[in-house]
Amino acid sequence: DTGVSQNPRHKITKRGQNVTFRCDPISEHNRLYWYRQTLGQGPEFLTYFQNEAQLEKSRLLSDRFSAERPKGSFSTLEIQRTEQGDSAMYLCASSPPGPGTSGLSEQYFGPGTRLTVT
Amino acid sequence: AQSVTQLGSHVSVSEGALVLLRCNYSSSVPPYLFWYVQYPNQGLQLLLKYTSAATLVKGINGFEAEFKKSETSFHLTKPSAHMSDAAEYFCAVSSAGGTSYGKLTFGQGTILTVHP
Repeated sequence: DTGVSQNPRHKITKRGQNVTFRCDPISEHNRLYWYRQTLGQGPEFLTYFQNEAQLEKSRLLSDRFSAERPKGSFSTLEIQRTEQGDSAMYLCASSPPGPGTSGLSEQYFGPGTRLTVT
Repeated sequence: AQSVTQLGSHVSVSEGALVLLRCNYSSSVPPYLFWYVQYPNQGLQLLLKYTSAATLVKGINGFEAEFKKSETSFHLTKPSAHMSDAAEYFCAVSSAGGTSYGKLTFGQGTILTVHP
């Protein structure tokens, strides 16, 4: 399977603990996005990487959240000092190179990591 | 700023009936519009997209959508529902250029139920 993969698929943690999620995009895709989806809502944009550069972060991404994409390959999303409000599905998507910064390229989504903070 | 409104969080149809899922958008620049489908415990899958070419867009699994600028709408239709169409559907908008980087703004989703 050459799709987007995310690990772990499920994570249960206690409030105050740190968690890290991993996303492996489709190999030739240079664009990578993180979204968060809460129950009954559509996904909300968190952050965007083009190759290894983090070019945009949503105001939703508090200082407790950090994302990296070393060498422009896989990406990690870390949440420090988790809160119950962080419970959500975290989705990763990747897309191939496109003309300029256009939104024409299809985004391919991974299955998501479901985080539950108790 | 961009936004998407999906009218009806739940839609129920009988197998073989017309499927109509409504989406209205707001965008200050010409939009790109997408419909995604999400099956339980799976990621989102692209059904179709509008990128300023033909206003009637055909997608996978018999779905199509029509871009109507005057109504700021991009409703999703399928002439005959199948049991396998039961899923959650999301309308999304992005824009070209600037600092949008192709990020998607999603609607709240519509859960489609298909009755035998």
